[in-house]
Amino acid sequence: EPEVTQTPSHQVTQMGQEVILRCVPISNHLYFYWYRQILGQKVEFLVSFYNNEISEKSEIFDDQFSVERPDGSNFTLKIRSTKLEDSAMYFCASRSDSSYNSPLHFGNGTRLTVT
Amino acid sequence: EDQVTQSPEALRLQEGESSSLNCSYTVSGLRGLFWYRQDPGKGPEFLFTLYSAGEEKEKERLKATLTKKESFLHITAPKPEDSATYLCAVQNSNYQLIWGAGTKLIIKP
Repeated sequence: EPEVTQTPSHQVTQMGQEVILRCVPISNHLYFYWYRQILGQKVEFLVSFYNNEISEKSEIFDDQFSVERPDGSNFTLKIRSTKLEDSAMYFCASRSDSSYNSPLHFGNGTRLTVT
Repeated sequence: EDQVTQSPEALRLQEGESSSLNCSYTVSGLRGLFWYRQDPGKGPEFLFTLYSAGEEKEKERLKATLTKKESFLHITAPKPEDSATYLCAVQNSNYQLIWGAGTKLIIKP
């Protein structure tokens, strides 16, 4: 069964450094998402992406965050200058269309640790 | 304000002991209620989508039901491998997903 893959599985970085989290969504999916989950807390929406542009973003997704689909398969999340509070699991998800009968399919996440 | 509340926060059951998890919601224009299973260190895994009150879906030992205000995830004769956190998410009229905090289910052999 097709799946969303994320790399790396764990990233440790120092405060102020830039990180890029990578995702390969399911190949025939059209909508891409980034979520994060701080340990023990709810899943939080960051951004959605369709047709090579951001379709929606949350308050968390400030100027320090950016997304890109550099080619036909990868979808990346960049954090320009990491802060301690950016430490979390970051999940990429994709769906085939925006209708309400299309569930999100998640990757297994990247655990980001900012020291 | 759209809101999703799951209860209980945690539930410990003996193997074979059936029970139910609750997801109550207030949302503007329901466009689907989703149940996911999340294992430690993994991403949420899709289980069910429910669209309208009265609808039911089943998969192995799990059965999800939906009313106008809440959804239940019934687990019948659970096994230790059913241990996980079960997440509920509601999609509103803007196709935004509002997530609950999850119920951590532990099944003891």
